[in-house]
Amino acid sequence: KAGVTQTPRYLIKTRGQQVTLSCSPISGHRSVSWYQQTPGQGLQFLFEYFSETQRNKGNFPGRFSGRQFSNSRSEMNVSTLELGDSALYLCASSSGTNNSPLHFGNGTRLTVT
Amino acid sequence: DAKTTQPNSMESNEEEPVHLPCNHSTISGTDYIHWYRQLPSQGPEYVIHGLTSNVNNRMASLAIAEDRKSSTLILHRATLRDAAVYYCIPINAGNMLTFGGGTRLMVKP
Repeated sequence: KAGVTQTPRYLIKTRGQQVTLSCSPISGHRSVSWYQQTPGQGLQFLFEYFSETQRNKGNFPGRFSGRQFSNSRSEMNVSTLELGDSALYLCASSSGTNNSPLHFGNGTRLTVT
Repeated sequence: DAKTTQPNSMESNEEEPVHLPCNHSTISGTDYIHWYRQLPSQGPEYVIHGLTSNVNNRMASLAIAEDRKSSTLILHRATLRDAAVYYCIPINAGNMLTFGGGTRLMVKP
């Protein structure tokens, strides 16, 4: 099985711009969740989508949004970028129950200048 | 969400067993305990998970306390490739992972 694929791998944007990151889950997985990882805050949960519906949301401002398509692929969008949004953004896919492992991609490294 | 407490770092010699502890005293009855590890420049990798009973797989063993307030990940023979940050995470139905700081495992040759 192909693993979780995140594109692009690296991205450089300037403050005020917006960015869209993409995540292709493992085939058959219906849940995709997104996380932000920074040296200061560690790994933080952004949101989770299951069958095209946002099921849970972490404590991030509305500038962070996401969606999931019918083929389970997911995108997350960050608008009005701030310097503090520089981070590694990870997505993980699973079957959607708490008894199933999460499979992570290798992330998108976003740098905001 | 359940909070976890893990040692910041641990050291082991190659070929020796490693026991990585985790306290999760506020875990709810339906949370599964998952362990993941993260190597540099990679996303976290699933290691093992369980609910109440001890679990074994090809990578590791998971020992869960009877009261479920703590668990221990056991690597039976540490190798250099096991050097990583290890996270224990109680997972609820919504897959809202609350990562703590994890334990940085260093393996000495």
